[in-house]
Amino acid sequence: QSALTQPRSVSGSPGQSVTISCTGSSSDVGGYNFVSWYQQHPGKAPKLMIYGVTKRPSGVPDRFSGSKSGNTASLTISGLQAEDEADYYCCSYADTYTSWVFGGGTKLTVL
Amino acid sequence: QVQLVQSGAEVKKPGASVKVSCKASGDTFSSYVMYWVRQAPGQRLEWMGWINAGKGNTKYSQKFQGRVTITRDTSASTAYMELSSLTPEDTAVFYCAILRREAFDIWGQGTLVTVSS
Repeated sequence: QSALTQPRSVSGSPGQSVTISCTGSSSDVGGYNFVSWYQQHPGKAPKLMIYGVTKRPSGVPDRFSGSKSGNTASLTISGLQAEDEADYYCCSYADTYTSWVFGGGTKLTVL
Repeated sequence: QVQLVQSGAEVKKPGASVKVSCKASGDTFSSYVMYWVRQAPGQRLEWMGWINAGKGNTKYSQKFQGRVTITRDTSASTAYMELSSLTPEDTAVFYCAILRREAFDIWGQGTLVTVSS
């Protein structure tokens, strides 16, 4: 099954904003509003940060926001903090094989 | 809030099988759809399969079809993932995760499986 494409790395200084893109196709990102984003610190399990493209689970700071345009979804983190440094993965439902596909992950470095 | 606790790390030889457990806290186990997700070193997350904890029906990723078996014991609120015919390429961290709100909402802590001769 096809995978989603993310930049390998992004960086920003404390207080700045960064955006991570996630590009798929009309069979996944573009076709469904089932895009989610996960934060993973080294040696830890992924943590759900955004679901349904734009929704935040309770407890996730409102500095994290999601959006989608066509076949590309985006995660924006505003007011960067040191603890935001982690790997971020996007995920989407894909009608191919009625399954879920993940992006390759983006390493966020807070300078 | 439901929590998932997985079994400990395993070391297996090529050709062997491994069975990983995932115990859920709380009393709504049967309402869950439990996924298993693999993360090989430096690789993306990939789903392996899922089980409807209430009905017991399963679906497996084509990539793992024939090698993976997912089961559950509702009396123990525990799901299991067994992977057979292990190769060194199966060395990975395996996670169980609950699908809710069309996202992987709750994750276990992960189980490292090392395959080495």
